[in-house]
Amino acid sequence: QKEVEQDPGPLSVPEGAIVSLNCTYSNSAFQYFMWYRQYSRKGPELLMYTYSSGNKEDGRFTAQVDKSSKYISLFIRDSQPSDSATYLCAMSDTDKLIFGTGTRLQVFP
Amino acid sequence: SAVISQKPSRDICQRGTSLTIQCQVDSQVTMMFWYRQQPGQSLTLIATANQGSEATYESGFVIDKFPISRPNLTFSTLTVSNMSPEDSSIYLCSVEFGFYGYTFGSGTRLTVV
Repeated sequence: QKEVEQDPGPLSVPEGAIVSLNCTYSNSAFQYFMWYRQYSRKGPELLMYTYSSGNKEDGRFTAQVDKSSKYISLFIRDSQPSDSATYLCAMSDTDKLIFGTGTRLQVFP
Repeated sequence: SAVISQKPSRDICQRGTSLTIQCQVDSQVTMMFWYRQQPGQSLTLIATANQGSEATYESGFVIDKFPISRPNLTFSTLTVSNMSPEDSSIYLCSVEFGFYGYTFGSGTRLTVV
């Protein structure tokens, strides 16, 4: 079993839709949870960072962490074509990040 | 956050040869990280490079295959040695800037033929 599982997609949604991206993990020691966005031919860029359980909101993006279920989510409201990218979850217990495989999202006009 | 310049951005290499990838950061950082991103796979950490000491390699990666240099606090190189088609991948450098703010370079897309 992989430490971090993420549905690879692709996920195709119309502009304006609410998008839900998810990851599950097996290591209960993980405390730091991140979402990265990666455009084609670019490196990943940090989108959201959460420590322990709870929610965090930043504009159209909301990150949720449920440590009891070992489940994290990223919600994108009012999705835009510019949101089309691969979204990677990442998590850590100390100083090494473990990444999911990434979910490819396409938002069509 | 830090700005990372990574080069080359892409290369096509013959099997058996070596390629050195450079990573330049605009700020001094303690640790630099090298990742590999294969199609359909998650980013996998190759090694962590600290200035003034040997790099620390993750399981499955060895220094003879992926030698790393870290001559100062803003620069590092990763060499992919004796390449085979299985080494075709995207290689990324990363730095930790601020509390868990990891920044990545744009990556080097390597194709081995």
